[in-house]
Amino acid sequence: KQEVTQIPAALSVPEGENLVLNCSFTDSAIYNLQWFRQDPGKGLTSLLLIQSSQREQTSGRLNASLDKSSGRSTLYIAASQPGDSATYLCAVSSRGAQKLVFGQGTRLTINP
Amino acid sequence: DGGITQSPKYLFRKEGQNVTLSCEQNLNHDAMYWYRQDPGQGLRLIYYSQIVNDFQKGDIAEGYSVSREKKESFPLTVTSAQKNPTAFYLCASSIQGAGEKLFFGSGTQLSVL
Repeated sequence: KQEVTQIPAALSVPEGENLVLNCSFTDSAIYNLQWFRQDPGKGLTSLLLIQSSQREQTSGRLNASLDKSSGRSTLYIAASQPGDSATYLCAVSSRGAQKLVFGQGTRLTINP
Repeated sequence: DGGITQSPKYLFRKEGQNVTLSCEQNLNHDAMYWYRQDPGQGLRLIYYSQIVNDFQKGDIAEGYSVSREKKESFPLTVTSAQKNPTAFYLCASSIQGAGEKLFFGSGTQLSVL
């Protein structure tokens, strides 16, 4: 059974810092991995999707990497801004499984 | 604007009552999903549908029911059999399946009176 873990559960950093969020999964036979952002009381917004054959994806100040063999993914946020404050969730899909398995999320606070 | 619309934003359920959460999408997506989110936890799959008139149970389907009579609509009923219904409910869609980018609605917060 696939399990996804995100550590830490919460992170607070000053504005302008570069930071890394972590995601680990137990079964390396994944189809892809997605990173989402969730603002309080809102739905999720897809940030990046990495296929199993890819090592990383970039969008603006965000860079997500994937290491299937070690069961890990990281989301790198460059030059953090207060508007980046949100909960970030990762989710993996497995071949043949019509569902995503989500981590519990990391609540990020960027202090001005 | 293309997207997913969930209503209502807040819903209250009385003891023994069934309530229905609405989810409508105009993205022309085949696949639709219902997730439940509890505080501090990840999302858990309740039901999903890949085609009209067909749907499958997810990990926590007990106490819930769905229908998919139209491509754009996937309502979720929380029945009286669901003893702990208080949660944030999220509807999502993708073009064909879970291996693709998911688009989410803004959610419905269900509470018990």
